[in-house]
Amino acid sequence: GQQLNQSPQSMFIQEGEDVSMNCTSSSIFNTWLWYKQDPGEGPVLLIALYKAGELTSNGRLTAQFGITRKDSFLNISASIPSDVGIYFCAGQLFSNTGKLIFGQGTTLQVKP
Amino acid sequence: GAGVSQSPSNKVTEKGKDVELRCDPISGHTALYWYRQSLGQGLEFLIYFQGNSAPDKSGLPSDRFSAERTGGSVSTLTIQRTQQEDSAVYLCASSSRGGQVTPSGANVLTFGAGSRLTVL
Repeated sequence: GQQLNQSPQSMFIQEGEDVSMNCTSSSIFNTWLWYKQDPGEGPVLLIALYKAGELTSNGRLTAQFGITRKDSFLNISASIPSDVGIYFCAGQLFSNTGKLIFGQGTTLQVKP
Repeated sequence: GAGVSQSPSNKVTEKGKDVELRCDPISGHTALYWYRQSLGQGLEFLIYFQGNSAPDKSGLPSDRFSAERTGGSVSTLTIQRTQQEDSAVYLCASSSRGGQVTPSGANVLTFGAGSRLTVL
């Protein structure tokens, strides 16, 4: 089945630093999404990308949908302690189900 | 309800026992999804419901796993004869209509907090 390769697997950074993570796929996706999961909670949507080449920002978050439709990255600028969590990329194929294919996640830890 | 509710939040069972996990989606959401999250892994799709029918059950790992949805609302995921490898967090998500996420935000999947299953 389709798989998303997400990297890095984990990051430990200092507060104030910028963070970058990315996802690649062997399949073309129609939509890319980035979710964040806090401990004991379900994933929450951060950003959704709909068109190849699209660059979208949400506060300190910026994400891009790759031109080939097979990759995406997420940047977090000026990290703060509440950015701690697991970040997942997810791709959505063009289908009637709307199901998402998830990457393995990037665990982010921020040192105050 | 205001969000997706799942119960129980934690379940510890012995190998070989059956378990039922419940999902109560957002009111009015016709699409419902079950995912499994194993330790340190991403979310693995299990099954998709549109109303009470399941047009995509391609992710169910074996015939020990089944799910149903009644009244277009509550869904139950049943695992029979549990094995230790079934230990995971089982997440439920719902959306307004299934299909593609659109720039208007339609069909964004909203997740519950999950049910953590531990099989001893």
